Amino acid sequence: AQSVTQPDIHITVSEGASLELRCNYSYGATPYLFWYVQSPGQGLQLLLKYFSGDTLVQGIKGFEAEFKRSQSSFNLRKPSVHWSDAAEYFCAVGASGGATNKLIFGTGTLLAVQP
Amino acid sequence: DTEVTQTPKHLVMGMTNKKSLKCEQHMGHRAMYWYKQKAKKPPELMFVYSYEKLSINESVPSRFSPECPNSSLLNLHLHALQPEDSALYLCASSQEIDNYGYTFGSGTRLTVV
Repeated sequence: AQSVTQPDIHITVSEGASLELRCNYSYGATPYLFWYVQSPGQGLQLLLKYFSGDTLVQGIKGFEAEFKRSQSSFNLRKPSVHWSDAAEYFCAVGASGGATNKLIFGTGTLLAVQP
Repeated sequence: DTEVTQTPKHLVMGMTNKKSLKCEQHMGHRAMYWYKQKAKKPPELMFVYSYEKLSINESVPSRFSPECPNSSLLNLHLHALQPEDSALYLCASSQEIDNYGYTFGSGTRLTVV
């Protein structure tokens, strides 16, 4: 079965510091991978996605992620964090399930940004 | 219009009430989804509609009843809910069911008392 693991429940970084959020997936075929961000009480916003091709994917708000098949990972990075980046971040894998496809989400990483 | 609009934003209902959540999109998307998100948890898929037909029901209790009256509108009818059903209910849409370019609404915060 497909699954997504985000090992870090909570991360705190200083404003201006670099950021890396970890994501590991389990899927038999080439996965479709996603990173979403959710501010408190809000819906989810897509940051970036990987379907195929270049393994380094650029997203919105200065985020990027790298797909590493050998490590089953899709870590999210940002070179310099802004206070407005404080939010919950979800990694997700697109899974084929019978007649349709569906997204499976990791448990999320809550990012706090210190001034 | 690139948004998914959900109404109401907040809802408090008693266990004997009947209420409905509404979701609307005008992006021409043909797949629409209901997700449930408990506090500090990831979203969990409830229902998927494709071309206005129910495609997936993730073994959701019958007190939740989805409806897709047209390609732009998705409803979730609620009846005889339990306090543990309190959660953020998220609607999403995508161009087709095998296209993962989901657009999420901002959700309805439901409290069952």
